[in-house]
Amino acid sequence: EDQVTQSPEALRLQEGESSSLNCSYTVSGLRGLFWYRQDPGKGPEFLFTLYSAGEEKEKERLKATLTKKESFLHITAPKPEDSATYLCAVGSSNTGKLIFGQGTTLQVKP
Amino acid sequence: EAQVTQNPRYLITVTGKKLTVTCSQNMNHEYMSWYRQDPGLGLRQIYYSMNVEVTDKGDVPEGYKVSRKEKRNFPLILESPSPNQTSLYFCASSEPPSGGVFYYNEQFFGPGTRLTVL
Repeated sequence: EDQVTQSPEALRLQEGESSSLNCSYTVSGLRGLFWYRQDPGKGPEFLFTLYSAGEEKEKERLKATLTKKESFLHITAPKPEDSATYLCAVGSSNTGKLIFGQGTTLQVKP
Repeated sequence: EAQVTQNPRYLITVTGKKLTVTCSQNMNHEYMSWYRQDPGLGLRQIYYSMNVEVTDKGDVPEGYKVSRKEKRNFPLILESPSPNQTSLYFCASSEPPSGGVFYYNEQFFGPGTRLTVL
């Protein structure tokens, strides 16, 4: 069964304290792994797409990496404005569907 | 400005009263989708559409209908809403999954519609 699991569910960091969010997946045929950011009361906003193991992408303080079993979203020296819920989604060739994880809620305190 | 719009943003209704949530995108995307978001369950796909007049069920289609008569619009219809359809709904659009192998593309989400069914 296709499955996407994000950990931790919630993460509190001090400003400048780097950390990583995890997205573990089990799919039959990966057809894209996506990271989105969602602010309270808003729709998810696209961050990155990764298609194959070993691929990495960066944007400001965020870096996404991908292996055959999981993806990490590394946050370097976070700022309070990075506080949001981060969603991971995986495209599956088995079901032809896009499966979302439950998200990690990040809070960065000044 | 490229965007996906939804209306209404907030709706409180009663059981059994038919309602429609509209969704419109201005990016000429072929692929559109509806999701519901519930605490602890994440985003779940209700219906999607690969193009005009082409729609298909997602993971939780029961109790919902959709239509795609124009490329830019993808309304979600609840013919007889029930309390278990109380949720936060998102419409999204993207370029269609591409290539001979089925690859997804990034999706653009609307601002959401918070629906309460009493």
